[in-house]
Amino acid sequence: KAGVTQTPRYLIKTRGQQVTLSCSPISGHRSVSWYQQTPGQGLQFLFEYFSETQRNKGNFPGRFSGRQFSNSRSEMNVSTLELGDSALYLCASSTGAGGGYEQYFGPGTRLTVT
Amino acid sequence: GQNIDQPTEMTATEGAIVQINCTYQTSGFNGLFWYQQHAGEAPTFLSYNVLDGLEEKGRFSSFLSRSKGYSYLLLKELQMKDSASYLCAVRASGGYQKVTFGIGTKLQVIP
Repeated sequence: KAGVTQTPRYLIKTRGQQVTLSCSPISGHRSVSWYQQTPGQGLQFLFEYFSETQRNKGNFPGRFSGRQFSNSRSEMNVSTLELGDSALYLCASSTGAGGGYEQYFGPGTRLTVT
Repeated sequence: GQNIDQPTEMTATEGAIVQINCTYQTSGFNGLFWYQQHAGEAPTFLSYNVLDGLEEKGRFSSFLSRSKGYSYLLLKELQMKDSASYLCAVRASGGYQKVTFGIGTKLQVIP
């Protein structure tokens, strides 16, 4: 069974631009969660989608948004990029809602904002 | 809100046993995860505790005490490849359920 895939793996953007990241979960998984990982803050929860509905949301500004499609693939969008948005963005999929089951992480997208 | 504390760094010797502690404060506790993350890689699942007690899985064991808001990950017969960050994460309910991660404990295994 294929693992979680994320595209692109690396991205360089400038301040003020917007970016869209993509995540394809493991086949059969309906829950997709997004996390931001930085050296100082660790893994921080962004949001979770289950069956195309946002079920959970972390404490991030409205510039961070996401969606999930009927095939469970998910996208995350960040508008008006700031230098502080430079981070590794990880998505994780699981079978159940709320991440209560074992989560499988993708390799991440390394975003650099200059 | 939720608060998760774990030591930032630990060092242990190859072949030894190491215990990584995690304390948490949360409302509506619904389970605790441990993940391993090697440098430059994504986290991988190690364990999930919902009830009090010890769960053993090969060289790794995880313990939970809900009344104390405390968990630990025990690694036996340490190997060099165990050098990694170990992340404690708590699942809590309260309208919506989400998983909150601690900052992680960077473990260095030395010969």
